[in-house]
Amino acid sequence: GESVGLHLPTLSVQEGDNSIINCAYSNSASDYFIWYKQESGKGPQFIIDIRSNMDKRQGQRVTVLLNKTVKHLSLQIAATQPGDSAVYFCAEKHTNAGKSTFGDGTTLTVKP
Amino acid sequence: EAQVTQNPRYLITVTGKKLTVTCSQNMNHEYMSWYRQDPGLGLRQIYYSMNVEVTDKGDVPEGYKVSRKEKRNFPLILESPSPNQTSLYFCASSKINQPQHFGDGTRLSIL
Repeated sequence: GESVGLHLPTLSVQEGDNSIINCAYSNSASDYFIWYKQESGKGPQFIIDIRSNMDKRQGQRVTVLLNKTVKHLSLQIAATQPGDSAVYFCAEKHTNAGKSTFGDGTTLTVKP
Repeated sequence: EAQVTQNPRYLITVTGKKLTVTCSQNMNHEYMSWYRQDPGLGLRQIYYSMNVEVTDKGDVPEGYKVSRKEKRNFPLILESPSPNQTSLYFCASSKINQPQHFGDGTRLSIL
């Protein structure tokens, strides 16, 4: 079968390296997925989103990949910087529905 | 500046004393939601509202009430707070099917 990345509660990378944060979602009916970044003492902030009609979307230094077959989402951060240190959450929902489910979060630490 | 404003930011209170956490957004968003964040449990949705006078339960609604009488405001009401409601609370808003904007959080301690 296909192999996908495991969700890790913590991830430590060296500055300049690429980071990959994984998320498994639970609801097959979900068709809208969002990544948020939460810095210490603040609320989550939107990073990038993807809808189920796509399997990849790129932003500035970030890429989200969606694998609907195995219900897996990943966030790739290129050339990770100290300012990227934060907790990263994935969220899933169904279009036009109000319920939104968040993953457990991954704490990313970037070592200078 | 576009923002979601929660008040108070911090509150220590006692069991059974009714409290309200206010939430206001200035972006004319239809959708608003409340979450609680606890260590090891991530963000869990309490209630949400798709528009004025429309509210619905999230995953953990027990012990909470909300109202949406105006588009900009979505207060969270704890009629009889208990210690298990000690948590960090976030309000969020968005256009329908768009990413949410979050407030800075309200830390509640119920003794």
